[in-house]
Amino acid sequence: EAGVAQSPRYKIIEKRQSVAFWCNPISGHATLYWYQQILGQGPKLLIQFQNNGVVDDSQLPKDRFSAERLKGVDSTLKIQPAKLEDSAVYLCASSLDWTGRWTGELFFGEGSRLTVL
Amino acid sequence: RKEVEQDPGPFNVPEGATVAFNCTYSNSASQSFFWYRQDCRKEPKLLMSVYSSGNEDGRFTAQLNRASQYISLLIRDSKLSDSATYLCVVNKDSNYQLIWGAGTKLIIKP
Repeated sequence: EAGVAQSPRYKIIEKRQSVAFWCNPISGHATLYWYQQILGQGPKLLIQFQNNGVVDDSQLPKDRFSAERLKGVDSTLKIQPAKLEDSAVYLCASSLDWTGRWTGELFFGEGSRLTVL
Repeated sequence: RKEVEQDPGPFNVPEGATVAFNCTYSNSASQSFFWYRQDCRKEPKLLMSVYSSGNEDGRFTAQLNRASQYISLLIRDSKLSDSATYLCVVNKDSNYQLIWGAGTKLIIKP
């Protein structure tokens, strides 16, 4: 079974530029998460989708970050304009199969490492 | 107070020793608890869920103390490959929303 796919793996940009990350979750997983993980810290939830609806985006800096999950499958996270403090790994995860039995297990992609100069 | 708190460590432990660390949570309504493991520069992976009665998986034992609002992870006969960061995860009031601790770094030394 294919895992969660993310791209790009690495991205270096200058501050005030824009960047977009893509995620394709495990087939059939209804819930998709975007996390930001700064070095030495735990993952911080940016946005959580259930199918194509937003469950939680309370920690998403909406003045610069946006995310969408069209058709309830893959998702894109955009940062515009980027700031130095956005340097982090952006992790996408998915969970839940269509039976709705939630085990608490999130399956993560390898992450997209962003460096803002 | 943070919603989920962990001692960041690092815990430096000799191979073969037993090590334990705790995680405290603030929301008494939380119902689901997990330990995830994250290797350096890798993504987190589920290590084990934590059940009310406590549970064991090989050398790993997880326990929940609802009265004091903490969960613990015990690793027996530690191996070099156990070196990683251990993340405590607790649900919010709905099952689908999770709160992550900052992690405890464990280093097993030969």
